[in-house]
Order: sequence, then C-alpha cells, then structure tokens
Amino acid sequence: DAGITQSPRHKVTETGTPVTLRCHQTENHRYMYWYRQDPGHGLRLIHYSYGVKDTDKGEVSDGYSVSRSKTEDFLLTLESATSSQTSVYFCATYREEKGELFFGEGSRLTVL
Amino acid sequence: GQQLNQSPQSMFIQEGEDVSMNCTSSSIFNTWLWYKQDPGEGPVLLIALYKAGELTSNGRLTAQFGITRKDSFLNISASIPSDVGIYFCAGLYNNNDMRFGAGTRLTVKP
Repeated sequence: DAGITQSPRHKVTETGTPVTLRCHQTENHRYMYWYRQDPGHGLRLIHYSYGVKDTDKGEVSDGYSVSRSKTEDFLLTLESATSSQTSVYFCATYREEKGELFFGEGSRLTVL
Repeated sequence: GQQLNQSPQSMFIQEGEDVSMNCTSSSIFNTWLWYKQDPGEGPVLLIALYKAGELTSNGRLTAQFGITRKDSFLNISASIPSDVGIYFCAGLYNNNDMRFGAGTRLTVKP
C-alpha cells in the first residue's frame, strides 16, 4: 500500500468543461503517473512526473495537462473535456528502492 | 508504446483447480509485476520479480521471471471464489518505460 488517494472518485461532466483530477500520496515517492484504462486497451500512460515541477508526456497526452507543485500531489487537468476522455483514470507511484509500482483506486470520469 | 501479450484473455474454472497465465513481449524487462484488479477498484500488487529465472511465491500465488527476460508466468493453486477478478502483468525496463498486459479475467465456479 503506497498511500495513494484519488479525488474525485466519480465525476460526470459536460463536453467542453474543464476537469481536474487530484492524486495525493503519503510515501514521498519521486515518480508519479497518470494512466487511463479503457476496455480493450489496458493501461495507457498519459503523463508522468519525476519530481516537483518535472513532468513529461506519455503515449496519450493530447488534451491533458499535469502539474506537480508538491511531492505529494499530482494533478491531471482536462482543459476542455471531450466524450473520448470518458474513462477510468488511475494515478500510480513508483517505489524506486524496490522497483514497485502502486496504483490508486481510480477516478471514473464520464463526459456527456 | 507496445503493450504486452497476455494470455488467456479469460478463464472459467472450478473451485479448487489450478490456474496459469502468462505475458510475453518482444522487449526485455528488468522487472515483472503482477496485479489483481477487482471491479471498481485499483490494481493491487501481488508479486514483484527482479531477476531472470526468479521464482517467487505469495501464498497460493507463484510467479516466474522468464529466462529470456521477455516473459513471465503467474500460477494460482487451489483456486477459491475470492480469486475472481482481472489479473494483469507489467514489464518494467526503467521508471519511465513500463508496459502492461490487457489482463486475464478469472471466473471461479463454486
């Protein structure tokens, strides 16, 4: 257990509205990740962070931005939500000493 | 990035039976991880493997890191109803190169 809390756990929004998902960790892990999980696609990396203010794009980063102003918090923002962004979003952290990746409980986003 | 090939996609077994699933890739990895995911929940780490040939157990679960470093196997012995869920693998080359299997959906009939 890596002490990962995601909020909100569920959200329904309309096309064109901005959405921010929050990930909070208590283990002081340097690396944090945002993934989306869709049927038939498995987990796909959106963005990741390797330290405060240090972020990089993943394979499905279009339409998403991230920020990390503190070690414990990693925010994922959809500037203008689209129906294709309806998904379950998972935050993850990486324990470098043991090479372990831990996931949060997920945030289910529905864009109408 | 290219995902891992995980098989089978689904399994329907009787309680008490053993289960085997595997993940393969064309790439080599330095770490293999196995997860279980219940509906509406996040993936939970079951087993971590760090060396080629390594065999690691966690209760009734046993996983192996393939000799070629391109595959891994998970076995569940004497399955019980609470084993139901989706199991998936992750291959890690480093902390920003990770690939995932699509999952094996396990159903256990009492």
